[in-house]
Parts: sequence; C-alpha cells; structure tokens
Amino acid sequence: DTGVSQDPRHKITKRGQNVTFRCDPISEHNRLYWYRQTLGQGPEFLTYFQNEAQLEKSRLLSDRFSAERPKGSFSTLEIQRTEQGDSAMYLCASRRDSPGPYEQYFGPGTRLTVT
Amino acid sequence: RKEVEQDPGPFNVPEGATVAFNCTYSNSASQSFFWYRQDCRKEPKLLMSVYSSGNEDGRFTAQLNRASQYISLLIRDSKLSDSATYLCVVRSSGGYQKVTFGIGTKLQVIP
Repeated sequence: DTGVSQDPRHKITKRGQNVTFRCDPISEHNRLYWYRQTLGQGPEFLTYFQNEAQLEKSRLLSDRFSAERPKGSFSTLEIQRTEQGDSAMYLCASRRDSPGPYEQYFGPGTRLTVT
Repeated sequence: RKEVEQDPGPFNVPEGATVAFNCTYSNSASQSFFWYRQDCRKEPKLLMSVYSSGNEDGRFTAQLNRASQYISLLIRDSKLSDSATYLCVVRSSGGYQKVTFGIGTKLQVIP
C-alpha cells in the first residue's frame, strides 16, 4: 500500500497521560499536514511541514501539542497532559510540493478518546 | 463570516435524482478548489478538483464562480453508494498555501 498510513488507528487514554501518533506520508510527497476533526465538523488545520521544516502552526495547537518530522519522512504528533477536549480524529495528509498537483491525500486517521 | 461555508444538510434524495451542493468562500485570493468525499468515521478522499472552466467526471460535475466566490457540485443519477458527506476545500495563495475545509454537506440517497 503506497498511501498515507497512520498509527495507531485508535487510542484510548486517561486524562493527563501523554500520547504520540505517527504518520507515514506517500514517499514522494514532501508536504505533510496534521488536522483534527470532531463530529459534525470538517478537518481543522493543526500544523504543516515542508520536508523537515515545520512552517506553520494553528492557534488551535496549544503548547501541549508538538509535532516533528525529523528526517523529512514520517512525522509524529505528541499531546502532553491530555484533556477530554482533545478527543477527536487526528488526520494526517500529504501532497507534492509546488508546482502541484495540490491535492492532499489523507491517512485513515487516529481516533483518540480521552477518558 | 466563515472562510468556507456549506449547508450541512442532510440532503435526502431518492435514487436516480440529481442533487447539487454549493459552497461559498470568503478569500478572493483563493487559488485552488476541491471536493472531497468522507464516509462515516473514515478519512476524506479526493472526489475531484474544481477548474475555472468547470469539469466533469462521470456523474459528477464541478463548477467554479470566482466573481461570486462559490463552487458547486452536481451529482446526477444518484446511487445509494453516493451517500456520504461532501467537503468543500479551498486553498489560498502565498505563504504555506492555507487549506480550509468546509463543515461538509451530508447526502443520504434513499432507495
């Protein structure tokens, strides 16, 4: 499968615990995005990488959230001291760099439940 | 005003019907437009890009109206398998080329 992959697919954690999610983009895609989606909403942008550089972070991304893409390949998203409001689907997407095409391809997501 | 606005629906239509969704965007500098389809508890999947001249892919037709800042998706001869949420996506120019998703329009095709 040459699509975007994410691990784990589901995560249940207790409030206050730290969690880490992984995303492996399509191999030739150097742009990688993280989104959060809650029920009844569209995906909300969290952060974005071009190769290993994190170029943009949303105001939604509090200081409890950190993302890395150390070698410009896979990326991790860590949430420290989880809160119940962090429960959501966390989606990763990737795409080619300019000049395009600009379509993003999504992974299956990691569904986080904070109890 | 939201950057990308969609009617959340649901749109309940019988099989074989034609249904149209609109999406409006607020940033006149937006460069690229897409429709994604999302099934329940699944990831969004690209349905089609939207080109200035309009484009068609089988039963699906997408249109862009830059003057009025809206895009549309027309589905002809609806199938049960078309039941899903359709997300409007807009990419702006410059910087990191921000991508904004609408809330999605839910379509339910009824036998």
